[in-house]
Amino acid sequence: QQQVKQSPQSLIVQKGGISIINCAYENTAFDYFPWYQQFPGKGPALLIAIRPDVSEKKEGRFTISFNKSAKQFSLHIMDSQPGDSATYFCAAYTGNQFYFGTGTSLTVIP
Amino acid sequence: DTGVSQDPRHKITKRGQNVTFRCDPISEHNRLYWYRQTLGQGPEFLTYFQNEAQLEKSRLLSDRFSAERPKGSFSTLEIQRTEQGDSAMYLCASSFFGNQETQYFGPGTRLLVL
Repeated sequence: QQQVKQSPQSLIVQKGGISIINCAYENTAFDYFPWYQQFPGKGPALLIAIRPDVSEKKEGRFTISFNKSAKQFSLHIMDSQPGDSATYFCAAYTGNQFYFGTGTSLTVIP
Repeated sequence: DTGVSQDPRHKITKRGQNVTFRCDPISEHNRLYWYRQTLGQGPEFLTYFQNEAQLEKSRLLSDRFSAERPKGSFSTLEIQRTEQGDSAMYLCASSFFGNQETQYFGPGTRLLVL
C-alpha cells in the first residue's frame, strides 16, 4: 500500500503565484520528511527537508509546513517561476528506507 | 566530485535477455540505494548497501534481480530473464553514513524491454 499519499497529481500555476503540494502519512515511525524535485530525464534532487519536531522550515522560496497531529506535510513554492516546472515528490524516512509519494507535475505558466 | 553516475543511461533489450547496470556513488559515501521508478510514480525502494554489505532487499524484489557492491565502491544491478514489466527507470542514490537521510540521486538508467 502507498505509505505516503500525495496530491494533487498535477498543478498549473501562474508565474508569481503560490504552488502548494500536500502529502499525508500514517506511519508514526517516520522521522524525516524530504521533498525532491525532478526534471525530465534526470534523477530526483533534494529540495528541502524537515523533521517532525519542527512545524515549518523555509529555504528561499520553498517552505515545508508540517502538522504532526494530522500526519500531513506540505510544500509551498512562493513566487513560482517557469523554471520551477518539474515533478515534485514528497518522501518519508524510517528504518533506513525512504517511501515516496506518487509525484506532482507542476507547470508554471509565464 | 562529479556526483552519482550511472551507466548506461538507456538500455533497450529483448524479453528474456539479461541486463546489468552500474552505479558509481559519490566518493566516501558508504550507503548506496537502488530504486525503480515507473511512469507517473515515485521511486520504489529495491535494495541498499552499507559499504559492501547488502543490508535490505524489498519484499517486492523478484529473485531475477541481484545487486552487488563488491568493494564498497561501485555497485551493479543485474536483471535476469527480463520481462516487459521490468521496463522502468532504475535509479541509484548514495549517502554518507553520518548524514544518511541526505540522498544524492544519479541520473538513472532507463530500461525498455521489448
